Parts: sequence; C-alpha cells; structure tokens
Amino acid sequence: DAGVIQSPRHEVTEMGQEVTLRCKPISGHNSLFWYRQTMMRGLELLIYFNNNVPIDDSGMPEDRFSAKMPNASFSTLKIQPSEPRDSAVYFCASSFATGGGQPQHFGDGTRLSIL
Amino acid sequence: GDSVTQMEGPVTLSEEAFLTINCTYTATGYPSLFWYVQYPGEGLQLLLKATKADDKGSNKGFEATYRKETTSFHLEKGSVQVSDSAVYFCALSDGGAGNMLTFGGGTRLMVKP
Repeated sequence: DAGVIQSPRHEVTEMGQEVTLRCKPISGHNSLFWYRQTMMRGLELLIYFNNNVPIDDSGMPEDRFSAKMPNASFSTLKIQPSEPRDSAVYFCASSFATGGGQPQHFGDGTRLSIL
Repeated sequence: GDSVTQMEGPVTLSEEAFLTINCTYTATGYPSLFWYVQYPGEGLQLLLKATKADDKGSNKGFEATYRKETTSFHLEKGSVQVSDSAVYFCALSDGGAGNMLTFGGGTRLMVKP
C-alpha cells in the first residue's frame, strides 16, 4: 500500500516567494497533520484536520502560513511570503481516528530552504 | 496537559550493547503509547505501540512495556546494531479527536562498530 506522499522532497527558493507543499494521505485515513522539524525547536505540530475540517491550527506560526484540505486525498501547506527562518523539514502525517490506539503514518517530508 | 519526557541524547553505544531509552509521561485517563524511529533524511516510522497497562509492544528486537504505576514506557533492545543508529521518539495519544500525538523531544542513538 502507498504511504503518505509528500511533494516536493526538496525546495529551495528566495525569501519573499510563495511556497506550496503538498500531501496525499493514506487512502481511508480521516485525520491529517502538518508538522515542522528544526534542530532548534524539534518537532512541532502546525495544524491538523479531521474529516477535511481544520480542528486545531494553534501551532501555525503566523498569518503567512495557511493550510487547506479540499478533499480527503489532498492537502496543501502554503507560506506567503517565505522568510529564511521558515527553513525546516515539513512533515505530513495521516491517521485513521478511532478514539485512540491508532498510530500516525508519516511521509518522508519536504526539506525547505529559504535563501 | 499531556507531556512526554525522554532522556536526552546522544546515546553512544558499541555494537551488541544493551540499549535502554527512558520515557515517562503525564496524561489524564488511559493513553496509548508509541515509539517512533527516524533514520537520517527520512520521516518518522512507527516502531511499536501499546494501548493498555502491562501491554508489551515489540518489533525488530525492540521492546517496551506500558507501566501505568510508574507512568513509563522505556525502550529496550538486547543487542544493538550499527543500523539502529537513528533518533527515537516516545509519544502518547490520549484518545481525543483526531488521534493527536504528544511527542517527547527525541533521543539520538549512535552505534559504533
């Protein structure tokens, strides 16, 4: 079975540019999570969706970040405008939410570098 | 709120040594507990899990037992290999909406030949 698929795997762009990260969750999963990982701050939850609805976006750093989930098989995380401090690895994860006990499955991440 | 505390790394061991990575948690109710492993350049992979007290999760020679009395879920392996070098994360899910996970800070393991 295909796992969580993220694209692109690597992104290098200049500050001020718009960046869009994409995620395809595992088919049948109804929860989707976006994380950011840096050496300084470790793994941070940015936002999560349940049944395509954003449930908790308290981890989104600021208004420059936005996330959407237009359907059960696709989500985007957008940064506009991007800044060098946004450089990190961004992970998407999905899960079948049954009230506990089910793990999250992670993609391989997008390594983002803002110059 | 929920929290997970792991021993700080890095942990450096020689091949075939015994491994213990400590993990303790704070949570209301009866959480499910997980260990994830992250190899360089990859995402987090589920290593093992336990969903109730006294359950033992195991996979690839790794084991962890859900100890409710000590609120712990320590990861152990009897004989580590160089290929086990990675970052290990302990996590819990309190069963709330969406299967949110609370992660520990991660422990880097380095195994030398």
